[in-house]
Amino acid sequence: EAGVTQFPSHSVIEKGQTVTLRCDPISGHDNLYWYRRVMGKEIKFLLHFVKESKQDESGMPNNRFLAERTGGTYSTLKVQPAELEDSGVYFCASSLRTGTYTEAFFGQGTRLTVV
Amino acid sequence: SQKIEQNSEALNIQEGKTATLTCNYTNYSPAYLQWYRQDPGRGPVFLLLIRENEKEKRKERLKVTFDTTLKQSLFHITASQPADSATYLCALPMDSSYKLIFGSGTRLLVRP
Repeated sequence: EAGVTQFPSHSVIEKGQTVTLRCDPISGHDNLYWYRRVMGKEIKFLLHFVKESKQDESGMPNNRFLAERTGGTYSTLKVQPAELEDSGVYFCASSLRTGTYTEAFFGQGTRLTVV
Repeated sequence: SQKIEQNSEALNIQEGKTATLTCNYTNYSPAYLQWYRQDPGRGPVFLLLIRENEKEKRKERLKVTFDTTLKQSLFHITASQPADSATYLCALPMDSSYKLIFGSGTRLLVRP
């Protein structure tokens, strides 16, 4: 069974450019999460999808970030325009159930560097 | 606000010994707590989940305890091996929901 996959694994872009990160969750997992780890900080929640619906985007830093999950399958996270402080590792995770006591399966992450 | 503390200093032990990692939390009463392993360049990998009404949980060489009075979880790896070298993360659900708050992680190095 394929795990959570993320593309690209690394991205280096200039300040002001646009970058789109992609996440393919485990097949059959309705729940998809985006997390981010910036340098020297803990991994922090960004948002949560259930199928194609955004359930919670309270962790999104600002309106330069846009997440979508068309058709309830893969998800994209677009940063436009990118700023230096957006640099970090972006993780996607998926889970089978929404309720408590649910383990999340993480992808390998996308390392974003904004220069 | 909710806060998780893990020892930021790396833990360096000899192969065969038991590694013990600590996770302390404040301003919070979580329904459960999770431990993850993270290797360089990889995402976190789920290891164990322990519920608030469970004192201890085991999985092969791993053991987790959860003391809701002390607001602390201990993560033990017995008979440690060099392959156990990694960063171990403690995670709690935010506001009793599915969103996870992560600690900064403790790096474990097991010497052969």
